[in-house]
Amino acid sequence: GQQVMQIPQYQHVQEGEDFTTYCNSSTTLSNIQWYKQRPGGHPVFLIQLVKSGEVKKQKRLTFQFGEAKKNSSLHITATQTTDVGTYFCAGQTSGSRLTFGEGTQLTVNP
Amino acid sequence: ETGVTQTPRHLVMGMTNKKSLKCEQHLGHNAMYWYKQSAKKPLELMFVYSLEERVENNSVPSRFSPECPNSSHLFLHLHTLQPEDSALYLCASSHYREWGYEQYFGPGTRLTVT
Repeated sequence: GQQVMQIPQYQHVQEGEDFTTYCNSSTTLSNIQWYKQRPGGHPVFLIQLVKSGEVKKQKRLTFQFGEAKKNSSLHITATQTTDVGTYFCAGQTSGSRLTFGEGTQLTVNP
Repeated sequence: ETGVTQTPRHLVMGMTNKKSLKCEQHLGHNAMYWYKQSAKKPLELMFVYSLEERVENNSVPSRFSPECPNSSHLFLHLHTLQPEDSALYLCASSHYREWGYEQYFGPGTRLTVT
């Protein structure tokens, strides 16, 4: 079945440093979504990528979808304490359900 | 965010108890989902309902029984649970189409089985 792997599992950064999490799928995806879950909270949808090589930005967050549509990344520039949480990617192939990665737990030291 | 609500937020139950989790969405979506989130594990999809019909059941033990009386409400009936069933149970909703639907999650019910 479809697998979505996410690395790293944990990342600790100093405030102001950059952060990147990577997502890799065993199969070609039709789309990929990113979610953020704050400590004690629930996953919240951030963005969806559909096109090969697509890049989208939300303020300090940059999302990329690979050319082969099998991998994706989320990059945060100059992290802030408000960025703390777990970031999940979720991939989907045509006609199938979303498959979530294990998530990257980000902690930011002030 | 109050688009998807879940009750109760916390539940402690014994292995012989019967309880139900409730989810309600106010977003006009026509698909609803139950997920299980355990520590250090990916989100596990349990059930999917589209237009009130169950379209997916991911080999979930029969001690979990879903019910979807209409497109706004979803229940998860629990009976004779095991301690390993302790987890955060998340409800989500979305528009139902073949691909590209973002999911809106509720706050979850933190379940502890003693």
